Amino acid sequence: DQQVKQNSPSLSVQEGRISILNCDYTNSMFDYFLWYKKYPAEGPTFLISISSIKDKNEDGRFTVFLNKSAKHLSLHIVPSQPGDSAVYFCAASLLISNFGNEKLTFGTGTRLTIIP
Amino acid sequence: DAGVIQSPRHEVTEMGQEVTLRCKPISGHNSLFWYRQTMMRGLELLIYFNNNVPIDDSGMPEDRFSAKMPNASFSTLKIQPSEPRDSAVYFCASSSGKAGGPEDTQYFGPGTRLTVL
Repeated sequence: DQQVKQNSPSLSVQEGRISILNCDYTNSMFDYFLWYKKYPAEGPTFLISISSIKDKNEDGRFTVFLNKSAKHLSLHIVPSQPGDSAVYFCAASLLISNFGNEKLTFGTGTRLTIIP
Repeated sequence: DAGVIQSPRHEVTEMGQEVTLRCKPISGHNSLFWYRQTMMRGLELLIYFNNNVPIDDSGMPEDRFSAKMPNASFSTLKIQPSEPRDSAVYFCASSSGKAGGPEDTQYFGPGTRLTVL
């Protein structure tokens, strides 16, 4: 049962345009959301996050939007650059009352290709 | 800092053999995570440790999988016996655990690509 879903396995965007990556989740208990970026033959690296008490978080060219009623979040990259070509994973955190909330549930990833 | 170190980077083995994957977390980090990446399921958390103690192993697929963390600087994930469906990339990650939550960024190693023939 995939609790975090990234329904687009791949996305191609022209350099300089906006890239929008989407993520849906089913568990309303998730309270923290993250995006990780992964290059080939490397491990994922943290990109940006958002708490469930916010609906937007911005960091430079990257903005994450959260719509809790729709259980949907998106990552906007603008302007897109060739170095942004990678696989992007959406992740969500579930509060575990006894042990804190470090446990992350990841989606299947979206491969973003920026066309020069 | 060297980052999270995993070995081997690639492992090819035959069905039925024992496989041991190794991880050295970032020095000073007190949380360690083992993940498996497949095309169908993405990144799945297998088990995680805090201060060398297993906290949640609900993601371990079955009894053939076991993980240990004998000290703060070393962990192993063992598969015995291995099966072709275990073929995947296995990642180890660590975090400082200072905030005790997802705000503690997880730093991933480069992964071990396992192929079971």
